[in-house]
Amino acid sequence: GDSVTQMEGPVTLSEEAFLTINCTYTATGYPSLFWYVQYPGEGLQLLLKATKADDKGSNKGFEATYRKETTSFHLEKGSVQVSDSAVYFCALNQAGTALIFGKGTTLSVSS
Amino acid sequence: ETGVTQTPRHLVMGMTNKKSLKCEQHLGHNAMYWYKQSAKKPLELMFVYNFKEQTENNSVPSRFSPECPNSSHLFLHLHTLQPEDSALYLCASSQDLVDRGRSTEAFFGQGTRLTVV
Repeated sequence: GDSVTQMEGPVTLSEEAFLTINCTYTATGYPSLFWYVQYPGEGLQLLLKATKADDKGSNKGFEATYRKETTSFHLEKGSVQVSDSAVYFCALNQAGTALIFGKGTTLSVSS
Repeated sequence: ETGVTQTPRHLVMGMTNKKSLKCEQHLGHNAMYWYKQSAKKPLELMFVYNFKEQTENNSVPSRFSPECPNSSHLFLHLHTLQPEDSALYLCASSQDLVDRGRSTEAFFGQGTRLTVV
């Protein structure tokens, strides 16, 4: 079945560093891809999404590009802030199905 | 405010208790979900409802019983739970699951932190 694999954390960075969190997927058909973020004590919030190959999702300085040839959807940000500390989840779904999530990557940013 | 509200936010219950978790969405969505989030484990999809009909039950033990009386409300009834059931229970909603060749994102509530003692 469909699945999502994302890099194990935790990722620890200094403020203003460059962030990459890797995500690859396995799916039949043409899934939509998502990044969700979970701040401490909260539920999941949609960060960005892409619905077809070569689409780039972006929000709050974060970006991810849907790469069908490498089945990847890596999350990037040029300059992280302390407030970006959270758990990041890569996810996919296809029409008619619920979201399938990766295991999550914890990001810790220090000042 | 995400449009999906879960109550209570925290719940402590004994193994012989019966309790219910409530989820309400104000987004006009037709699909609702229960997920379980345990420490050091990936998010687990428990139940899916689409237009009030249960479409998925991922081998969840019968001590968890969902109820969806209408498209805006979803409950999770709990009875005779075990300590390993302690987790964050997340409710989510999305437009629907109709296979129109499109997919939509889900919106999550803040979760209920459940502790079974």
